[in-house]
Amino acid sequence: GAGVSQSPSNKVTEKGKDVELRCDPISGHTALYWYRQSLGQGLEFLIYFQGNSAPDKSGLPSDRFSAERTGGSVSTLTIQRTQQEDSAVYLCASSPTSGSYNEQFFGPGTRLTVL
Amino acid sequence: SQQGEEDPQALSIQEGENATMNCSYKTSINNLQWYRQNSGRGLVHLILIRSNEREKHSGRLRVTLDTSKKSSSLLITASRAADTASYFCATGDDKIIFGKGTRLHILP
Repeated sequence: GAGVSQSPSNKVTEKGKDVELRCDPISGHTALYWYRQSLGQGLEFLIYFQGNSAPDKSGLPSDRFSAERTGGSVSTLTIQRTQQEDSAVYLCASSPTSGSYNEQFFGPGTRLTVL
Repeated sequence: SQQGEEDPQALSIQEGENATMNCSYKTSINNLQWYRQNSGRGLVHLILIRSNEREKHSGRLRVTLDTSKKSSSLLITASRAADTASYFCATGDDKIIFGKGTRLHILP
């Protein structure tokens, strides 16, 4: 079956512009996560959605970052007024449920470059 | 701060040798997971070990967990060129915290 997909795969933008990154989770997965990975670094948790519950936004680095998940499926991560330090690979993952013992399935990521 | 810290940061070994990577964490856990990442893109889940387990096998992979020392190790036996990748340990239930990873390079 289809895995997690993300679009675009690469995005180059100018400083100050807004960008939207999309994630299509595996069908039926109730949990969805966004992470950011800077060059040579580990993954930084950004935000987590579980079903209809309020999302855990504790990892968002600033109020320029926001995310929504429509209909419990597709998610969009929006970065407003992009800065050069926002350049990174943004990874999305989904899992069947939340909590212990749940494997996360990752998408291929979106590489964002802010000039 | 990072929950999991992998050691070493980088490792180069000859094909056919065994590779061992270690992970240390700080707080109590329910489970620990290991992931592999190729070419800086999506991660692939390798294995999950629960806090009440001490060792787990999956093919050429062996994972150990010592909750008293708050550490885990990932052993890859009979390494292959295709094992070249970065390996991350991860802890947490919903909010998964990843370490910075070990970059493994298998030399032909």
